[in-house]
Amino acid sequence: DTGVSQNPRHKITKRGQNVTFRCDPISEHNRLYWYRQTLGQGPEFLTYFQNEAQLEKSRLLSDRFSAERPKGSFSTLEIQRTEQGDSAMYLCASSIRESRNSPLHFGNGTRLTVT
Amino acid sequence: DAKTTQPNSMESNEEEPVHLPCNHSTISGTDYIHWYRQLPSQGPEYVIHGLTSNVNNRMASLAIAEDRKSSTLILHRATLRDAAVYYCILLTSGTYKYIFGTGTRLKVLA
Repeated sequence: DTGVSQNPRHKITKRGQNVTFRCDPISEHNRLYWYRQTLGQGPEFLTYFQNEAQLEKSRLLSDRFSAERPKGSFSTLEIQRTEQGDSAMYLCASSIRESRNSPLHFGNGTRLTVT
Repeated sequence: DAKTTQPNSMESNEEEPVHLPCNHSTISGTDYIHWYRQLPSQGPEYVIHGLTSNVNNRMASLAIAEDRKSSTLILHRATLRDAAVYYCILLTSGTYKYIFGTGTRLKVLA
């Protein structure tokens, strides 16, 4: 168990640029989640996958955000035409099975700064 | 989404027990109660969860009220490393979407 890995750890980009983050979940975890967290707030749910299927997206997720999980392994989160309001920590989490008994395992996040 | 209410902050002395409360008056019979904590500059970390009975693990204990409208996370001997934000979350039947609130920021005094 090497834990959930997120890359890059930090990303600085200019407004209007596209960015992509990667998440490698714990091996054989079939559920994968993306969250966003701003200073002083709890993590905000964005979306989650069961294997390669995206099961739910937050209504807060604008059309500029897209997430994929090809082959049900790693996942990417892309933000197009970034805005300063997108500056936040983006967290990925995974869990092993479809059970409310199964805890989430989080990565340490990608911190995005949009200038 | 089921809602929880937690105090914004609490303080504890090192080596003493800490009781972190959570109110969830709208809980339904099949909602699980989960606790996570977030240390500075890290992602959240699972602490404990339960449904109806009190639960213990190596990190903490979870005491669930008989009517399930509240619960308490108990750290038996707080250390400086326990300083973190603690989140109480309800996981509702039919969803696997964990909704975090703003949590309780625990400060541990040496």
